[in-house]
Amino acid sequence: GESVGLHLPTLSVQEGDNSIINCAYSNSASDYFIWYKQESGKGPQFIIDIRSNMDKRQGQRVTVLLNKTVKHLSLQIAATQPGDSAVYFCAEESLRSAGGTSYGKLTFGQGTILTVHP
Amino acid sequence: DVKVTQSSRYLVKRTGEKVFLECVQDMDHENMFWYRQDPGLGLRLIYFSYDVKMKEKGDIPEGYSVSREKKERFSLILESASTNQTSMYLCASIDWGQGHRIGLGYGYTFGSGTRLTVV
Repeated sequence: GESVGLHLPTLSVQEGDNSIINCAYSNSASDYFIWYKQESGKGPQFIIDIRSNMDKRQGQRVTVLLNKTVKHLSLQIAATQPGDSAVYFCAEESLRSAGGTSYGKLTFGQGTILTVHP
Repeated sequence: DVKVTQSSRYLVKRTGEKVFLECVQDMDHENMFWYRQDPGLGLRLIYFSYDVKMKEKGDIPEGYSVSREKKERFSLILESASTNQTSMYLCASIDWGQGHRIGLGYGYTFGSGTRLTVV
């Protein structure tokens, strides 16, 4: 769904279903992308990452797809479990320079709330 | 695994107080960051540091300063706390070495956050 005002997009699924969470990124120069999971009261936890020279990467139960043409990133979670319920953020990193040093600047999406029903 | 530790989970401070938020990482990372997280606004970068005693402003530095006297410690300072600084504050670190520039699995590691309430 689309975010409206202060409301995060939400996705509700049944346990065992596959989930797909989408993210649009803004900077065509970004070359590194990360998905994070954040449970209530905790900091973001790294899930999976991908570089701009790839269009797909798989982990354990998770797959990230990158479409650079439309600047779109997605996270697929197979056989979703109640423990997967959380807010999921995408983040893009673009390179900057300061003080003669190159560094990356991470920009986050607003997040999607995933709720898994038993 | 990299561990990023924020000294306080919850803080309540009064308007006008000087507030220190502490962050320590144990993997010798050069680069450390402070973000704040607010509903509907996501994570926004306040300041970051790419070396000891070096700091750079992020997107929302106003009302904040930072200190990096040692590699493992990055402190966020609210010079005079205001109610609009009530938020969740998150510290992160990464090593922007060759591994990160070309590899995978080097995602930024976050602490558990400090929820600050200014009254």
